Amino acid sequence: EAEVAQSPRYKITEKSQAVAFWCDPISGHATLYWYRQILGQGPELLVQFQDESVVDDSQLPKDRFSAERLKGVDSTLKIQPAELGDSAMYLCASSSLTAPGLAGYEQFFGPGTRLTVL
Amino acid sequence: KQEVTQIPAALSVPEGENLVLNCSFTDSAIYNLQWFRQDPGKGLTSLLLIQSSQREQTSGRLNASLDKSSGRSTLYIAASQPGDSATYLCAVYFGNEKLTFGTGTRLTIIP
Repeated sequence: EAEVAQSPRYKITEKSQAVAFWCDPISGHATLYWYRQILGQGPELLVQFQDESVVDDSQLPKDRFSAERLKGVDSTLKIQPAELGDSAMYLCASSSLTAPGLAGYEQFFGPGTRLTVL
Repeated sequence: KQEVTQIPAALSVPEGENLVLNCSFTDSAIYNLQWFRQDPGKGLTSLLLIQSSQREQTSGRLNASLDKSSGRSTLYIAASQPGDSATYLCAVYFGNEKLTFGTGTRLTIIP
């Protein structure tokens, strides 16, 4: 069964260091999402890609976070510099949504990357 | 503001019982609603997706219902098993294309 892949699964870093997370969506899925989930809360959308283009990054802290999906397939989320408050689970999801403006397509999530900032 | 609420935050029931998890949302103009399961420290597993035109969806021992007019959805689990212990998250597609999540109900099935 096709799955969303993420790596690493766990990351421990010190404050002010740079970290990067990788996501490979289900093959053929045009839409990719990055979410952040703080312990005890639901996931919150950070950025949404349609192919290689950013559709929504309104909740992405752009002073320290960046995301790219250069070839419209896999994606990287980077944090530089990391802060204590960035400790969370970072989840990647994909869907077969084919164009912005449509909605309601089922999202499939990867296993997540648990980030701990010391 | 569009919000999704799940009450209670935690629920414990004996094995074998049928149970209902609740989800409420503030805006009846939704596209669909998705129920997820999350095991501790893991990602989300999609359980059921209900389109706005549907009233319910079933998968095995799970049945999800949707009542847009009252802003409510329920997830019914029949004949609960210890393996059903997890956090269950409800998420709603409102008109802004974003999937808005509730904070989840942590379910414990007591053997």
